[in-house]
Amino acid sequence: ELKVEQNPLFLSMQEGKNYTIYCNYSTTSDRLYWYRQDPGKSLESLFVLLSNGAVKQEGRLMASLDTKARLSTLHITAAVHDLSATYFCAVNYGGSQGNLIFGKGTKLSVKP
Amino acid sequence: DAMVIQNPRYQVTQFGKPVTLSCSQTLNHNVMYWYQQKSSQAPKLLFHYYDKDFNNEADTPDNFQSRRPNTSFCFLDIRSPGLGDAAMYLCATSRDLLTPLHFGNGTRLTVT
Repeated sequence: ELKVEQNPLFLSMQEGKNYTIYCNYSTTSDRLYWYRQDPGKSLESLFVLLSNGAVKQEGRLMASLDTKARLSTLHITAAVHDLSATYFCAVNYGGSQGNLIFGKGTKLSVKP
Repeated sequence: DAMVIQNPRYQVTQFGKPVTLSCSQTLNHNVMYWYQQKSSQAPKLLFHYYDKDFNNEADTPDNFQSRRPNTSFCFLDIRSPGLGDAAMYLCATSRDLLTPLHFGNGTRLTVT
């Protein structure tokens, strides 16, 4: 059974600080996703990571994938309040994009 | 510009009273998915359609049904809602089984 674990589940940080969210998964998968969700809103796709060593960056967010360790990280650089949201990682199984197993999410709160 | 549109945004129904949620897409994608997301939990796949082929997740309760009358529309029918079915229901589409998902804004269902 594929399991996806994120940590931490809650993260409170000050503006300007750096931090990393971790996502571990239990079995082999060929792609990993990071999504952002604002309260009461839907999911916004941030990154799709397809191969070992893949690194993608968008603004203050950088995601990486280590398929051997079955680990992905989402690094936040110089956090700003607008980054406050819940971040989910998700891993597919069964060859279908829709068959995603989501982590429990990391609720990020960035305080001035 | 909305590409995956869910109606209504908020739905209140009574315990045991059938309810239908709708999703439409302007992307002409082949695959449409329904996810259930309970409060502070990760989204969970209920089922998906690849064109007209219906694929049900093994643990999706029989109370949940879906219809896809054409490429653009997909419906989620809850035959006898229970209090435990209160959740955000997310529709998503993808061009095929290997391309990223596009999520709608969701319908928040309340069961009284």
